[in-house]
This record gives sequence, structure tokens and C-alpha cells, in this order.
Amino acid sequence: TQLLEQSPQFLSIQEGENLTVYCNSSSVFSSLQWYRQEPGEGPVLLVTVVTGGEVKKLKRLTFQFGDARKDSSLHITAAQPGDTGLYLCAGPKGGKLIFGQGTELSVKP
Amino acid sequence: NAGVMQNPRHLVRRRGQEARLRCSPMKGHSHVYWYRQLPEEGLKFMVYLQKENIIDESGMPKERFSAEFPKEGPSILRIQQVVRGDSAAYFCASSPSAVTGGEKLFFGSGTQLSVL
Repeated sequence: TQLLEQSPQFLSIQEGENLTVYCNSSSVFSSLQWYRQEPGEGPVLLVTVVTGGEVKKLKRLTFQFGDARKDSSLHITAAQPGDTGLYLCAGPKGGKLIFGQGTELSVKP
Repeated sequence: NAGVMQNPRHLVRRRGQEARLRCSPMKGHSHVYWYRQLPEEGLKFMVYLQKENIIDESGMPKERFSAEFPKEGPSILRIQQVVRGDSAAYFCASSPSAVTGGEKLFFGSGTQLSVL
């Protein structure tokens, strides 16, 4: 069983569309992080959310941490081909970072 | 500042051989984590080490796999008598402190292990 469940697992959209990726858990996390990974490379941190209900914006990306600190979402406005990649949520448990299974996003021009 | 360095980038082994994966953490980082990733999947935690100590190896198979992080030199993930199922990308990450809340992990580019 996956401690962090991401949905959808795959998403293929056209340039200019909006999308939302979800990260859910039955456990409470002190914080959640979102990483982006490109083929052949390691994940790179996009954002960390710490406070329940927190919203953070990074250009066209909006991240939200649920009030109960059990879930998070990533919303991308007007997606571009450069947004293509694997998006991973992660949270600390037992001194290590646990990852969701990822959302593979493909943005077609 | 060099990032997390992993080598080799690609490693091909035949069944039964040994694979040694190396990871040099970022300067000043004493915490190292190893993860394994299969195609189109997230990262599965394997082992967490802090200089000369294994802190958590709960994600690492007890047979054939071992890890070390000596006082001097890189961290090594060693897989003995490799089997086809060991084929995967192995990522190393480092941090200056333990991951408890909000700390960032810095990842290397990974080693792609292929077992023939």
C-alpha cells in the first residue's frame, strides 16, 4: 500500500490547458514537498508546504496543503510543453522522505 | 558548489555479477539516502545513512544488498549476485540534516543498472 497516493498517474493535455494533480494520504504530515523529475535526471524540489491550508504560487504553478495536512494539490495554469515531466509529492516519515508514485504529465504543442 | 555526484551513470552487469554504485553527497552534507525507481514509478526508499552509520535500512532487501558511508569517500550501494529484477534506476540524495519537516533533499542524476 502506498502511503502517499497521487492521481492521476498519467495526464496528456494540449498546450494552454489547465490541470490539477492530487496527492492524498490517510496520515498527517508535518510538511509535504513537490518535486519534478525529467527523464534521465534526479528529482528537483519545486516547493515545500508546511502549514495546513497554505497556498504557494510559483509562476503558473499553485500548490495547496490541505487543512488537515493529509493532502496536497498542484495546479498548473496554461500548461506549456516545458512542463512535461514526472511530478512527485513527498513527505517525511520516520526520518526519511516517502514519495508518491508520481504523475506523468505530457503537454503537447 | 558541486551537486550530488553519482557514478557510473550507466552500469551493465550479467546475472550473478556484483554491482557497485557510488554517491558523493554535496559538500557539508552528512546524511545520504538511496532510492530505487522503476520506469514510470515513484521513488522507493532503500536506506538512510549518516557518516559511518546505517540509520534506517528498512527498504533494502536483506539478501544481496548492502550500503556504507565511510568516514572518508563516497557512499556505496552494493548489490551482489545481481538478477534481472535488480534492473532499475538508483538515486542517491543528500541533506545537511535529518529529514523531519521541510528539509530539502538534493538528488544525483542516478545510476541506471541493467542486468543482462
